[in-house]
Amino acid sequence: AQKITQTQPGMFVQEKEAVTLDCTYDTSDPSYGLFWYKQPSSGEMIFLIYQGSYDQQNATEGRYSLNFQKARKSANLVISASQLGDSAMYFCAMNTGGFKTIFGAGTRLFVKA
Amino acid sequence: DVKVTQSSRYLVKRTGEKVFLECVQDMDHENMFWYRQDPGLGLRLIYFSYDVKMKEKGDIPEGYSVSREKKERFSLILESASTNQTSMYLCASLPSGLESYEQYFGPGTRLTVT
Repeated sequence: AQKITQTQPGMFVQEKEAVTLDCTYDTSDPSYGLFWYKQPSSGEMIFLIYQGSYDQQNATEGRYSLNFQKARKSANLVISASQLGDSAMYFCAMNTGGFKTIFGAGTRLFVKA
Repeated sequence: DVKVTQSSRYLVKRTGEKVFLECVQDMDHENMFWYRQDPGLGLRLIYFSYDVKMKEKGDIPEGYSVSREKKERFSLILESASTNQTSMYLCASLPSGLESYEQYFGPGTRLTVT
């Protein structure tokens, strides 16, 4: 069965520090895509970063990077130099082709000033 | 920029009422989705549509139906609202193509059924 697991319901980080949000996935499909979305308190889901299963290098987008460890089936999000505006819910998600994307339960990140 | 809009940000309905949630996208995307979001459960797919008048059940379709009469509009219908349908509802769209995995989300509708 395909599954996304986010084991950290909530996390705190000091402003300007880096933080890692954990995500593990389970699929038997060799081809898949992994995503991270951010959901501020306003409710909209904002796409952050994408990693394909055949990508050799870890994806990076500005202060966001995805630490992809295929053998461990993990796709952790690293946010460098946290900002107050990073306080939000973060969802890890997976698509194995077709129309269905499955989401994890989410991690709520609190950035402290 | 892709824009996905939802008819209401907040909605309060009574048990047994018929409820319509509307979603409109302006980028000619073929695929549209309805999710519900509950604490600790993430987003769960209710229904999706890959073309006009075409629909497929997601993981939790019970108690819901959908309508897609036009490409840009995807409606979620609660035939007889119940309190366990109190939730956040998110609509999303997705263009077709192998590279098109990023979904574009609307702002969400927080529905309360009393």
